[in-house]
Amino acid sequence: AQSVAQPEDQVNVAEGNPLTVKCTYSVSGNPYLFWYVQYPNRGLQFLLKYITGDNLVKGSYGFEAEFNKSQTSFHLKKPSALVSDSALYFCAVRDINTNAGKSTFGDGTTLTVKP
Amino acid sequence: GAVVSQHPSRVICKSGTSVKIECRSLDFQATTMFWYRQFPKQSLMLMATSNEGSKATYEQGVEKDKFLINHASLTLSTLTVTSAHPEDSSFYICSARTSGGYYNEQFFGPGTRLTVL
Repeated sequence: AQSVAQPEDQVNVAEGNPLTVKCTYSVSGNPYLFWYVQYPNRGLQFLLKYITGDNLVKGSYGFEAEFNKSQTSFHLKKPSALVSDSALYFCAVRDINTNAGKSTFGDGTTLTVKP
Repeated sequence: GAVVSQHPSRVICKSGTSVKIECRSLDFQATTMFWYRQFPKQSLMLMATSNEGSKATYEQGVEKDKFLINHASLTLSTLTVTSAHPEDSSFYICSARTSGGYYNEQFFGPGTRLTVL
């Protein structure tokens, strides 16, 4: 079975400071990892994905994530947070070798960036 | 990026009535569509996966006779909540995946807020 853990329900940072939203995963095969952002009463927006290749993945809005196989982590980062980054963030994992390619989502982390 | 629309965005209905939610991929062909349900401040719960022209595959615990899914074309899937009850009130989100393999990312619709009175 595949699973995703986002250990922090809430992350608070000051505008201009770096931010990190944590994600760890568990899959039996090769992981395909995704980050999505959700604004209130909206669907999810794709931020970035890791399929293969460079462990550091750059995505939309200045976000990036680093795939760490030994620690089974895929933390989302941004060097300088903006107030507009405040939203709900979901990490997702997919194992194409099992489960018909369905994604499993973490419980989400609410990011609040204060001015 | 690819765009997925949902209609309606909000619906309020009386208990016992049926509600249909449409999900469309606007600029790509979606061989696979997913329907999720999201409760406040919770993650997405996958309800079912539908492939164009095939019957939907429902997740354990989801009643297929209550949540009817039709994926009649490569750009349209519908979810019908039959005989809705207040406990069906939720935020329903559809997602579409392009053809070409399991590793393609999913594109999500904006969601439909269903309130059953």
